[in-house]
Amino acid sequence: AQRVTQPEKLLSVFKGAPVELKCNYSYSGSPELFWYVQYSRQRLQLLLRHISRESIKGFTADLNKGETSFHLKKPFAQEEDSAMYYCALSGGETSGSRLTFGEGTQLTVNP
Amino acid sequence: EAQVTQNPRYLITVTGKKLTVTCSQNMNHEYMSWYRQDPGLGLRQIYYSMNVEVTDKGDVPEGYKVSRKEKRNFPLILESPSPNQTSLYFCASSLYFRGDTQYFGPGTRLTVL
Repeated sequence: AQRVTQPEKLLSVFKGAPVELKCNYSYSGSPELFWYVQYSRQRLQLLLRHISRESIKGFTADLNKGETSFHLKKPFAQEEDSAMYYCALSGGETSGSRLTFGEGTQLTVNP
Repeated sequence: EAQVTQNPRYLITVTGKKLTVTCSQNMNHEYMSWYRQDPGLGLRQIYYSMNVEVTDKGDVPEGYKVSRKEKRNFPLILESPSPNQTSLYFCASSLYFRGDTQYFGPGTRLTVL
């Protein structure tokens, strides 16, 4: 079974501070990991995916297979980063085509 | 404009009254899926479809049905809604596969009394 855990439901930081949103997963094979973001009154949208290894809006995430983690990081948070963030996992063929999301972390960046 | 649309956006109904939430995409995507979003539980996949006439259960399929007769449409059917199906529902699509970028609809807020 595949599972995604985001241990922090709420995270509050000040503008300019570093931010890290934690994501841990459980999957026996080689997963594909994603971060999706939902800004207020907007649709859920892809932020980044581990296979792209790119930085979007200053955010990065590294897949750590040893620790089964895919934490999202940004060195200097901005107020516009305030949103709900979801980590998601897509497993291999044995899991069918399920996409499993974590519980979400509500990030608030204070001025 | 490339997008995923859902209707209705808001719905209040009563227990046992069959309802359908429509989902349509204009991007020629093969993969479509339905999620429900509940506080503290995140998004949970209800059903997904790899292509026309190909559907499969997600993590929480009980009480729901889907069909995929056309590539662009993927309706969610609640034959006999119950209060525990009160939730925010999202439809999503992607080009080919689960690993592709998912494009989400605006959501349908359903209340079952």
